[in-house]
Amino acid sequence: DIQMTQSPSSLSASVGDRVTITCRASQRISSFLNWYQQRPGKAPNLLIYGASNLQSGVPSRFSGSGSGSDFTLTISSLQPEDFAIYYCQQTSSTPFTFGPGTIVDV
Amino acid sequence: HVQLQESGPGLVKPSETLSLTCTVSGDSMTNNYWSWIRQPAGKGLEWIGRVYPSGFTSYNPSLNGRVTMSLDTSKTQFSLKLSSVTAADTAVYFCARDGKSYLQLDSWGQGMLVTVSS
Repeated sequence: DIQMTQSPSSLSASVGDRVTITCRASQRISSFLNWYQQRPGKAPNLLIYGASNLQSGVPSRFSGSGSGSDFTLTISSLQPEDFAIYYCQQTSSTPFTFGPGTIVDV
Repeated sequence: HVQLQESGPGLVKPSETLSLTCTVSGDSMTNNYWSWIRQPAGKGLEWIGRVYPSGFTSYNPSLNGRVTMSLDTSKTQFSLKLSSVTAADTAVYFCARDGKSYLQLDSWGQGMLVTVSS
């Protein structure tokens, strides 16, 4: 199985901050990397697919980059509704696996 | 706009089979994979598997052959069966649609808590 790691595991930030979360795959996955946001008690919501493609309806302050095994999610200016947990997921080979999550809190 | 809704028993006894159904609206279900994901309380996401309208399935080996998925396009539903459950299978279960380009999970159900307890 492909193992996914994320760093940091949690971070504290303020409204307006630029936030960067890193995801690393245990082997190369091309661009088969997706990012999700999960708020408490809710289902995850797709933000970025294919490493850098913004999902329809997602604010442009979210962006993704990377390919191969190292990827980054950036929030350019953190908004109050962005305090949540962020997960990366690889869909290069089954079983598709998720990273452990990054908690973004105030 | 596609919508998904999980349904089924919220309480299952140990050693029995967990059965959930996901009802889909706004999509004919004929051109995508459909997936199940679970999340124990306070923990991360685990991919359970996926099913295609042809009947092709792919399951997470970590579940040791206990998973069966099926799909019925005429009812726009797909289902999950997980046999021989234990307390470790207690989780919120989500159904979701796979996108076509990078197999991203682009639409999700709200999730359903299933507790395994006698």
